[in-house]
Amino acid sequence: NAGVTQTPKFQVLKTGQSMTLQCAQDMNHEYMSWYRQDPGMGLRLIHYSVGAGITDQGEVPNGYNVSRSTTEDFPLRLLSAAPSQTSVYFCASSYPQGKTQYFGPGTRLTVL
Amino acid sequence: AQKITQTQPGMFVQEKEAVTLDCTYDTSDQSYGLFWYKQPSSGEMIFLIYQGSYDEQNATEGRYSLNFQKARKSANLVISASQLGDSAMYFCAMRLMNYGGSQGNLIFGKGTKLSVKP
Repeated sequence: NAGVTQTPKFQVLKTGQSMTLQCAQDMNHEYMSWYRQDPGMGLRLIHYSVGAGITDQGEVPNGYNVSRSTTEDFPLRLLSAAPSQTSVYFCASSYPQGKTQYFGPGTRLTVL
Repeated sequence: AQKITQTQPGMFVQEKEAVTLDCTYDTSDQSYGLFWYKQPSSGEMIFLIYQGSYDEQNATEGRYSLNFQKARKSANLVISASQLGDSAMYFCAMRLMNYGGSQGNLIFGKGTKLSVKP
């Protein structure tokens, strides 16, 4: 099992550029989530999915889009990057009532 | 709304001593889970320990134990015999267990930075 994988590990964007952060899991988990981590803020939920074809917003969804066409993949799209989106992004997956949520290694994004 | 509070931004502990990291939570739900994660300087999130709200015994995983006091709504992490490799950020988190949707996701505290001194 590779667990939860994320690509890229690092990314630098210019304001206004778009990009997609990739996330994949091979544990057949129904739940997948995207969090962002900012200094002193802990992790905050951006978007989540409870299964293929079903997504919803979390605490800080503005500026981000998601889709889930397969159980394995849950990409996060930045439509028009802004400096406020400079952060570390984590993807996570679990079973719906799971006692463990598995995290990917994170993507460090800088928007200039 | 659910909330996790970690009041210690930073902690120091001497190597081989025990340390307690505080966590209090707020929820009106009866069924929930409490989690602790470790984040070393390399950045990954490492699951440490889980406590269910209906679990009668405090959870233990090796040198980690969770001091669960339900009436006080606290879920403190105790690390025994600290090691230099324990230096990291530690996050407390909560998840409601009877709901789907956004309430089934983790809510995190802001973290405590633990430094272990040799």
